[in-house]
Amino acid sequence: AQTVTQSQPEMSVQEAETVTLSCTYDTSESDYYLFWYKQPPSRQMILVIRQEAYKQQNATENRFSVNFQKAAKSFSLKISDSQLGDAAMYFCAYRSAVAPSNSGYALNFGKGTSLLVTP
Amino acid sequence: NAGVTQTPKFQVLKTGQSMTLQCAQDMNHNSMYWYRQDPGMGLRLIYYSASEGTTDKGEVPNGYNVSRLNKREFSLRLESAAPSQTSVYFCASSPWTEDRDGNTEAFFGQGTRLTVV
Repeated sequence: AQTVTQSQPEMSVQEAETVTLSCTYDTSESDYYLFWYKQPPSRQMILVIRQEAYKQQNATENRFSVNFQKAAKSFSLKISDSQLGDAAMYFCAYRSAVAPSNSGYALNFGKGTSLLVTP
Repeated sequence: NAGVTQTPKFQVLKTGQSMTLQCAQDMNHNSMYWYRQDPGMGLRLIYYSASEGTTDKGEVPNGYNVSRLNKREFSLRLESAAPSQTSVYFCASSPWTEDRDGNTEAFFGQGTRLTVV
């Protein structure tokens, strides 16, 4: 099964500053999807951004952008102009795009990074 | 648009009791998932169903069973609950590939907080 590693259990950023959350993954597949999810204290899982592996251009959604390095199997999330509302757990996730694969369509998550935003 | 609906939201069980967590989605997704979330462990996949009629084990399937009742519904059953199954459980669904809006992501229910005493 594909593994997803988030090496930063906790990160802290000041309001209006920029922070980068790291994610690496292990796969032998060439076609897949990558996601960043946010989980605030409400427990709701909210999609932040997604990246298709076949797309070379890094995805961007407003203040959120990714640095997708396919060869290095790295998928980091950059949050610019951080806001208090960005404080949450952030999860990186991987999903196969090829049907069927040995692992089917399992959606695998990293252990998460807790982001603290200070005023 | 309801999305993914999970019931119940909270449950307390005694050791050895059984229960079924229900999940339904109205987005016509093929794939459905059950996860458990424990502090410091992220979301760990219990079982998933790539399509109606198929189910596969995830990372932590022991002590659980699942049923993909139809395309909409995917239930998780604890036959004999143990304190180690105290956790927050999430159901999710996703399309196989990009849907008509170009979306590929999974959508999640609100979670069930289960306590086994």
